[in-house]
Amino acid sequence: GQQVMQIPQYQHVQEGEDFTTYCNSSTTLSNIQWYKQRPGGHPVFLIQLVKSGEVKKQKRLTFQFGEAKKNSSLHITATQTTDVGTYFCAGRETSGSRLTFGEGTQLTVNP
Amino acid sequence: DAGVIQSPRHEVTEMGQEVTLRCKPISGHNSLFWYRQTMMRGLELLIYFNNNVPIDDSGMPEDRFSAKMPNASFSTLKIQPSEPRDSAVYFCASSFGTKETQYFGPGTRLLVL
Repeated sequence: GQQVMQIPQYQHVQEGEDFTTYCNSSTTLSNIQWYKQRPGGHPVFLIQLVKSGEVKKQKRLTFQFGEAKKNSSLHITATQTTDVGTYFCAGRETSGSRLTFGEGTQLTVNP
Repeated sequence: DAGVIQSPRHEVTEMGQEVTLRCKPISGHNSLFWYRQTMMRGLELLIYFNNNVPIDDSGMPEDRFSAKMPNASFSTLKIQPSEPRDSAVYFCASSFGTKETQYFGPGTRLLVL
């Protein structure tokens, strides 16, 4: 079945440093979604990417979908303590409706 | 506007007991998803419904787990009998259509002793 892998599993940064998490799928995706889960909270939708090579920005967050639609990345510029949490990618295969979540990257920001 | 509602928020039970988790999706959403989250296995899709009909239950771990959606505003996930390895956070999510953004509930934190 489809597998979605995410790296790194953990990332510790100093406030103000940049952060990137990478997501790779074993199969071609129709779209990819990104979610953020704060400690003790629930996943909250951030964005969906659909087109090959698509790049979207939300303030300090930049999301990218690979040309082959098998990988994606989330980059945060100048992290803040409010960015703390686990970031999940979730890919949807071209043939189905099921979302497969990556393992997540847990981000810690030291003030 | 109320989001996805789950109850109970916390559940502690003993091995062998029946556990029922409840979910009320966002009004107007016609797809509902049950996920389980653990440190070891991450976020796993257990089952999802579209228009109250189960579409994919391949993630349900075994026969001890069952899920129902008797109407558009209510779903249950039942574990009978429960085992310590079922301890996890169970999330319900809903969306308008199976391919749209999913909105997660606050989760039920289950501990089976």
